[in-house]
Amino acid sequence: DGGITQSPKYLFRKEGQNVTLSCEQNLNHDAMYWYRQDPGQGLRLIYYSQIVNDFQKGDIAEGYSVSREKKESFPLTVTSAQKNPTAFYLCASSRGQVHNEQFFGPGTRLTVL
Amino acid sequence: DQQVKQNSPSLSVQEGRISILNCDYTNSMFDYFLWYKKYPAEGPTFLISISSIKDKNEDGRFTVFLNKSAKHLSLHIVPSQPGDSAVYFCAAKRGGGSQGNLIFGKGTKLSVKP
Repeated sequence: DGGITQSPKYLFRKEGQNVTLSCEQNLNHDAMYWYRQDPGQGLRLIYYSQIVNDFQKGDIAEGYSVSREKKESFPLTVTSAQKNPTAFYLCASSRGQVHNEQFFGPGTRLTVL
Repeated sequence: DQQVKQNSPSLSVQEGRISILNCDYTNSMFDYFLWYKKYPAEGPTFLISISSIKDKNEDGRFTVFLNKSAKHLSLHIVPSQPGDSAVYFCAAKRGGGSQGNLIFGKGTKLSVKP
């Protein structure tokens, strides 16, 4: 089955710790994206990558970092510099940035205590 | 500055009736629009889309209408079913490259009552 996986589903961390969220896709998609969703808010773009070894900042990149060493994987690190890290994080992919439909993973709920 | 607005946070409809979800946008350069459906604690799933060269697109019970002059689109669900209860996000896209990222509205929570 092709799809996008995110792990874990729920993640708890202490304030001041960095944490890495996993995102893997086997759809052979070139483009991958990270969004965060807060209650009552739409999805806001954190980072995106159009191709392996390349990525760009989205609208709210401060306090986050990413890597794209493999086509299938786009991990997101939430650093201690992120002021409000508690949120629902969604990873998505698409065939390419000019292709319109993005397919989303199930999400990771990060809670920083 | 919100470029994509969904002004109704919630909508309640009786089963079997029509649900109409609305979306307004401010950027006339948007050329593609999408609707996503999202259940709690899950990722959004793509529902239906429309290109700016069209004014209507239909897929089963779902129809999206686009009024470019009013910068307005709407999603019609008919007949509505309890399983349609979810949050619906409108998204817009402008061309490719870095301009091709999706801009999402804040969502409308639809409740379909049996």
